[in-house]
Amino acid sequence: GNSVTQMEGPVTLSEEAFLTINCTYTATGYPSLFWYVQYPGEGLQLLLKATKADDKGSNKGFEATYRKETTSFHLEKGSVQVSDSAVYFCALSALGAFGNEKLTFGTGTRLTIIP
Amino acid sequence: ETGVTQTPRHLVMGMTNKKSLKCEQHLGHNAMYWYKQSAKKPLELMFVYSLEERVENNSVPSRFSPECPNSSHLFLHLHTLQPEDSALYLCASSQDNPYTGGSSYNEQFFGPGTRLTVL
Repeated sequence: GNSVTQMEGPVTLSEEAFLTINCTYTATGYPSLFWYVQYPGEGLQLLLKATKADDKGSNKGFEATYRKETTSFHLEKGSVQVSDSAVYFCALSALGAFGNEKLTFGTGTRLTIIP
Repeated sequence: ETGVTQTPRHLVMGMTNKKSLKCEQHLGHNAMYWYKQSAKKPLELMFVYSLEERVENNSVPSRFSPECPNSSHLFLHLHTLQPEDSALYLCASSQDNPYTGGSSYNEQFFGPGTRLTVL
């Protein structure tokens, strides 16, 4: 079956540091890949996505490239801010039994940025 | 504000209680989802409703019973829960088009969740 593995947290960085959160996946076919973010007390929000190999998703200074050869979708940001503190989820989409899109999530990585 | 609301935000219940979680979406979507979020585990998809019909039920115990009376509302009825059912329960919605065979991903919009504690 499909699965997503992402680096365990928590991750603590100083403001303006470089961020990488690793994500690898196992899937049949050609899934789409996503990063979702969950700020404290809120639900998940889509951060960025990539729908085919070599696509780069980007948003709010975050980037991730769909690498089919390494089955990876690592999240990066060049200079993090305190407001980036949240839990980040890597996910892939595939078809469910009735043709509906179905998301498979990783365990989440808690990121804390200190001033 | 994501357009998906959940009530209550926090719930504490005993194992013999019966309670219900409510989700409402104001986005005009036709698909709704229940997820369970437990510490250090991946988000678990529990149920999916598309066009008000249940299309996914991931081997969820019968003590969890979903109800989707219309495309804007989704309930999760709880009875005789166990302490290990304590978790954050998230609702989501999306605009699903089953006739495209899933050829394009439709973003899911999540509510803030209900934090459930079973004593």
